[in-house]
Amino acid sequence: GAVVSQHPSWVICKSGTSVKIECRSLDFQATTMFWYRQFPKQSLMLMATSNEGSKATYEQGVEKDKFLINHASLTLSTLTVTSAHPEDSSFYICSAPQSGRAVNEQYFGPGTRLTVT
Amino acid sequence: SQQGEEDPQALSIQEGENATMNCSYKTSINNLQWYRQNSGRGLVHLILIRSNEREKHSGRLRVTLDTSKKSSSLLITASRAADTASYFCATDAGQAGTALIFGKGTTLSVSS
Repeated sequence: GAVVSQHPSWVICKSGTSVKIECRSLDFQATTMFWYRQFPKQSLMLMATSNEGSKATYEQGVEKDKFLINHASLTLSTLTVTSAHPEDSSFYICSAPQSGRAVNEQYFGPGTRLTVT
Repeated sequence: SQQGEEDPQALSIQEGENATMNCSYKTSINNLQWYRQNSGRGLVHLILIRSNEREKHSGRLRVTLDTSKKSSSLLITASRAADTASYFCATDAGQAGTALIFGKGTTLSVSS
């Protein structure tokens, strides 16, 4: 089946620094990818929709200048957390639907755990 | 945004027992899916049920969908310790390729 990878799987950074998380579709093209955030013991919250070749669409309450999304190719989307703070510590998960499918089956990456100290 | 609630929030059972989790949602949907997440890990897709389906089976899993009540249930029969995980329902209202909206999840603990 289709595979989505994320890199890194975990990262620890100091407050004020920026962190880039990559999401790759390994064996299919994804014109759209989605970024979710999950705080401990909570559900996944949609942050933004990443669109290849155009600007990302952010959900209400998500700061676009803080969470920079770049969908540079049909297989890669990156999420950069800028000037990270401890409250940004979370589990970030991306997903991608396989283009051309009739059913909305999403393929999820394994997630990236971000800890900001 | 989140669609709705899962019920119960937490469930503890013994191996061999059945586990039933419920999910309610607020808006019209195209599909409803159930996912499992082991602690600190990614999501595992369990089953997808379309809005025109009422029941679906996959191994020890049985999912029902009642669009008039905007609710779904996931039944795991003959549970095993390895079923211990969080379970989430997720809905989408649009065409294929739209974002999923997740419920709050049920944490299932199966003890041997």
